[in-house]
Amino acid sequence: NAGVMQNPRHLVRRRGQEARLRCSPMKGHSHVYWYRQLPEEGLKFMVYLQKENIIDESGMPKERFSAEFPKEGPSILRIQQVVRGDSAAYFCASSRRESNSPLHFGNGTRLTVT
Amino acid sequence: QKEVEQNSGPLSVPEGAIASLNCTYSDRGSQSFFWYRQYSGKSPELIMFIYSNGDKEDGRFTAQLNKASQYVSLLIRDSQPSDSATYLCAVTSGSYIPTFGRGTSLIVHP
Repeated sequence: NAGVMQNPRHLVRRRGQEARLRCSPMKGHSHVYWYRQLPEEGLKFMVYLQKENIIDESGMPKERFSAEFPKEGPSILRIQQVVRGDSAAYFCASSRRESNSPLHFGNGTRLTVT
Repeated sequence: QKEVEQNSGPLSVPEGAIASLNCTYSDRGSQSFFWYRQYSGKSPELIMFIYSNGDKEDGRFTAQLNKASQYVSLLIRDSQPSDSATYLCAVTSGSYIPTFGRGTSLIVHP
């Protein structure tokens, strides 16, 4: 069983292509968070979602980035028209409903834009 | 803007010693505090969480929280080379969104 499942683990895209990153939360978890980590830097919050609802997207760039968590299926982080600066590790985390529940992270997707 | 500050290190300690990792935060209303360990190229792994002032112990790990000083620390007793990693402090307030520090690199040398 499963912890937080992310795929793919590695993703290579050429500039201008689209990247789709998937995340399935742990069983019993209803909250999903996406973070981005650049080399030698900390985790930067991007977006917080519950099923069919974006709770907070204050960390998402205004253009090219979108996220969803449909009623059925995984959460998707979508990056359109990728640029080299999008190259990073993207981590998904999930938590239970309670506000002070710790986050549990997936293995991440390492995006490389060539 | 909510900030979480950690010394980037590296903090170098000999095997068997106590490693002390520190974290300060700016939001006085913060409620939940977490420590994660991240090995190079891997994802963050939850080590401990603490909600109330004082100490919380779990095996070789002790988390210490002082809300008046806005300070949380992690002590690792009997440090092992396998403890060498980056330790991330995370703090949550009313928004339910943890803010992470940039991490402290710990090196435990034999």
